Amino acid sequence: GAVVSQHPSRVICKSGTSVKIECRSLDFQATTMFWYRQFPKKSLMLMATSNEGSKATYEQGVEKDKFLINHASLTLSTLTVTSAHPEDSSFYICSAPPWDSARTDTQYFGPGTRLTVL
Amino acid sequence: AQKVTQAQTEISVVEKEDVTLDCVYETRDTTYYLFWYKQPPSGELVFLIRRNSFDEQNEISGRYSWNFQKSTSSFNFTITASQVVDSAVYFCALSEARRYGGSQGNLIFGKGTKLSVKP
Repeated sequence: GAVVSQHPSRVICKSGTSVKIECRSLDFQATTMFWYRQFPKKSLMLMATSNEGSKATYEQGVEKDKFLINHASLTLSTLTVTSAHPEDSSFYICSAPPWDSARTDTQYFGPGTRLTVL
Repeated sequence: AQKVTQAQTEISVVEKEDVTLDCVYETRDTTYYLFWYKQPPSGELVFLIRRNSFDEQNEISGRYSWNFQKSTSSFNFTITASQVVDSAVYFCALSEARRYGGSQGNLIFGKGTKLSVKP
């Protein structure tokens, strides 16, 4: 079945540094990918929609200069948390639904990246 | 605006009991998709079911069953004869539909229900 990978699975960084998280669709192409954020014991909140070859669309309240998204190819989207602070510590999950009409039965989620900012 | 409400924050049952997780949604779209996901402590989301708004048939998959009631905007999930391995957080989610079929992919999640099944 379709697989979405994320790298790294876990990252600890110092306050003020930038962290890049990769989301890859391994056996299908995805013109659109979605980034979600989940605080401890909370729900998943959609942060942004990553569009291949064009600018990402951010949800209301999400700082686009803080969370840089680049969808450089049909299988890779990256989320960069710039100048990370402790309040950015969270679980970040991407999803990459395939646009093949034969496989629209689910959204494929990555395993998530746990970011801890000290 | 779209919204998903899971009123039950936490549920605790004893193994072999049946348990129903409630989900109520709001949308103005006539075509939409509903989902249930399981999130074990590892954090990875496990897909359970997707249902489109035109398919109101209830579904059963092993010990799992889903009751979709469009009239009450509910999509409830029942686990029969619960097991300890069912312990997890369960999320109900809603998404818009693409023009030519399938989900848009941008899911709106409920707050989740934490299910604890004790031996």
